[in-house]
Amino acid sequence: AQSVTQLDSQVPVFEEAPVELRCNYSSSVSVYLFWYVQYPNQGLQLLLKYLSGSTLVKGINGFEAEFNKSQTSFHLRKPSVHISDTAEYFCAVSVSRGIQGAQKLVFGQGTRLTINP
Amino acid sequence: NAGVTQTPKFRVLKTGQSMTLLCAQDMNHEYMYWYRQDPGMGLRLIHYSVGEGTTAKGEVPDGYNVSRLKKQNFLLGLESAAPSQTSVYFCASSTFRDYTIYNEQFFGPGTRLTVL
Repeated sequence: AQSVTQLDSQVPVFEEAPVELRCNYSSSVSVYLFWYVQYPNQGLQLLLKYLSGSTLVKGINGFEAEFNKSQTSFHLRKPSVHISDTAEYFCAVSVSRGIQGAQKLVFGQGTRLTINP
Repeated sequence: NAGVTQTPKFRVLKTGQSMTLLCAQDMNHEYMYWYRQDPGMGLRLIHYSVGEGTTAKGEVPDGYNVSRLKKQNFLLGLESAAPSQTSVYFCASSTFRDYTIYNEQFFGPGTRLTVL
């Protein structure tokens, strides 16, 4: 079964500093990869996704992620963070399908990003 | 469009009580999902539905039942609540166009449930 590991449960960063949130997955087959963001007291919002093609994926709010097949990683980066980026970030993979092709997501444990002024 | 909405936003139950969580979507999506979110565990799929009257088990289905009587609604039921079901519950929906592509899941704001 596929799994997703987010290597850091909490990441504190100063404002305008760069940040990297790490994600590794286990799968021997092709995967779809995602990063979701959850702002305080809100639902999940898709930040970016990798389906195929270029391994560098750009998302909303200046975030980008790089798919590395050999290292089975999909790390999220931003060159300069803002206070408004304070949120929980989830990495997810979609490999298996359920009945009638429903795509089932497997989520990592989440990384809480805290931006300090 | 409201997107995906969930009712209620918060609820406190006593052990053994029952309740139903309602998820509604106005995007005419075929697929709907229920997840639970627990600290340090991310989101885990409870049940999902691919259309009216058709549901299937996810990763952690025990203790929950679901129904999809109307395309826009997906209900999650707890017949006899237990403290282990204290969690935040998220509903999601997605359209279906093709088996070969990814159909993005859109999430609701969540329901925070506490079982005492």
